[in-house]
Parts: sequence; C-alpha cells; structure tokens
Amino acid sequence: DTGVSQDPRHKITKRGQNVTFRCDPISEHNRLYWYRQTLGQGPEFLTYFQNEAQLEKSRLLSDRFSAERPKGSFSTLEIQRTEQGDSAMYLCASSQGRGGVNTEAFFGQGTRLTVV
Amino acid sequence: DAKTTQPNSMESNEEEPVHLPCNHSTISGTDYIHWYRQLPSQGPEYVIHGLTSNVNNRMASLAIAEDRKSSTLILHRATLRDAAVYYCILRVYNFNKFYFGSGTKLNVKP
Repeated sequence: DTGVSQDPRHKITKRGQNVTFRCDPISEHNRLYWYRQTLGQGPEFLTYFQNEAQLEKSRLLSDRFSAERPKGSFSTLEIQRTEQGDSAMYLCASSQGRGGVNTEAFFGQGTRLTVV
Repeated sequence: DAKTTQPNSMESNEEEPVHLPCNHSTISGTDYIHWYRQLPSQGPEYVIHGLTSNVNNRMASLAIAEDRKSSTLILHRATLRDAAVYYCILRVYNFNKFYFGSGTKLNVKP
C-alpha cells in the first residue's frame, strides 16, 4: 500500500493520559499536514511540515499538543493530559511540493481518539 | 482565511448528473479552487482543482464562473459510491494549508 498510513486507527484513553499518533506519508512527499475533525464538521488545520521543518501551527494547537517530523519522514502528534474535548478524528495528509505549484494532498484514514 | 459557501445537503438519483455549487465571492487572483470529498469513515479524497479554466478529469468536471466568484462540481453520472460530503476549498498559490468548510452532503438515491 503506497498511501498515507496512520496508526493507530482507534484509540480510547482516560482523561489526563498522554497519547501519541503516528503518520507515515507517501514516501516521496515532502509536505505533511495534520488536521482534526469532529463529528459533522469539516477538517480543521492543525499544523504543517515541509521536510522536517514545522512551518505553521494553528491556534487550535494548544501547549498540550506537539508534533514532530524527524528526518522529514514519518510524523508524530502527541497530546498530553488529554481532555474530553480532544475526542476527534485526527487526519494526516501529505503532498509533493514543487515550488508554489498547487498539488493534491493525499489523506490517511485517520486516528479516532475517544477520551473517557 | 478564504471562505466558501455550499449548500448543506443535496440529493440526486443514481445515473443522473449532479451539479454541486460553491460560492467564493472573496476569492483572490492567486486562489486555486479545490474540491475534495469524504466518504463515510474515510479521510478526504482529492477530486479536482482549477484556477480559471474549466477542468475535466476521470472523476468529475469543474466549471468556474468567468468572474471566479463561484464554481460548480459536476458529476456526470452519479453512482451510489458517490454519496459523500463534498468540500469546496480555496487554496492560495504557494501557501500550503487549506481550509475546509462544512461541505455539501450528497445523497444518491437508487
């Protein structure tokens, strides 16, 4: 499978616990994005990497959230001290950037987080 | 953030064409118009994008108004597998993040 892979697909955690999600982008893609989606809403932008550099973070990404992309390959999104409001689908996407040219983004199937 | 307006839901009969409208009256000259769709329990999937001219691909056609303030995604023959939420998105040239609105939920009746 050469698509964007996310792990785990589902995660149930107790409030206050830390969780970490992993995203493996399409191998030649240098751009990687994280989005969050709650029920009935469109995905909300969280953060964006070009290679290993995190170039933008949304205001939605509080201090409890951190994302990394070491070596410009896979990425992790960690949520510390989870709250019930963090329950959502976390989506990862990747694209191949060529200067300013708009290219399509490919999304993974997401990690559904439930905080109880 | 560039805004788009879409109907909350639409319905179509199988095998018939579907025209999904999108208004983007505040579009700027460097904004590309992208369409993605999201099937139930799946991540969004790219459908088509364009800047000024109408575009066709194997999935759909994109008709862009001359003033670029609106666009229409055309599915030529809707199938049950096309039932999804369709998002119209403006994406700034050389600016990589893009913003999803609430989209149009398309229901296809057999």
